[in-house]
Amino acid sequence: GDSVTQMEGPVTLSEEAFLTINCTYTATGYPSLFWYVQYPGEGLQLLLKATKADDKGSNKGFEATYRKETTSFHLEKGSVQVSDSAVYFCALRDFNKFYFGSGTKLNVKP
Amino acid sequence: DAMVIQNPRYQVTQFGKPVTLSCSQTLNHNVMYWYQQKSSQAPKLLFHYYDKDFNNEADTPDNFQSRRPNTSFCFLDIRSPGLGDAAMYLCATSRDENRGTTDTQYFGPGTRLTVL
Repeated sequence: GDSVTQMEGPVTLSEEAFLTINCTYTATGYPSLFWYVQYPGEGLQLLLKATKADDKGSNKGFEATYRKETTSFHLEKGSVQVSDSAVYFCALRDFNKFYFGSGTKLNVKP
Repeated sequence: DAMVIQNPRYQVTQFGKPVTLSCSQTLNHNVMYWYQQKSSQAPKLLFHYYDKDFNNEADTPDNFQSRRPNTSFCFLDIRSPGLGDAAMYLCATSRDENRGTTDTQYFGPGTRLTVL
């Protein structure tokens, strides 16, 4: 079945450091891929998405490229801020169902 | 602003006492989802409505039921809450016009359920 695997956290970085959160997926079809962010006590917010191979999603300085050959959708940001501290979920959509990874907590220290 | 609203944000109930959580949306989306999220875990899909069609996940306990009286509202009923049902419950919506073309999900802020 479909599934998403993402790196375990927590990830702790200093402000302005480079961020990578790894995400790989297994799917039978051609899924759309998403990154969601969840701040403490809140629901999930869409961060970025990519709907086909080689698409790059980007938002708020975050980027992720849909790599079909490696079944990956790694999240990157060149310079993180304290306000980026949150839990990040990788997800895929196959038909009208969504599958989420277990989440990676990011802590950014000043 | 178009959005997904969940009430209440925090709900406390007693062991075995039925509880209903509510979700409404102004996005006019035809698909609505309920997820259970326990601490430090991924959201777990309980069920979803595609228009009026109810789709239950195979491993969702019978203790969990749902109602969707109209496009805008969806309810999660927990008939006899146990201590293990304490969690954050997330409602989400999406638009799917051709079964299988659903794109983004939009989430509400969640209801945190405590069972005493």
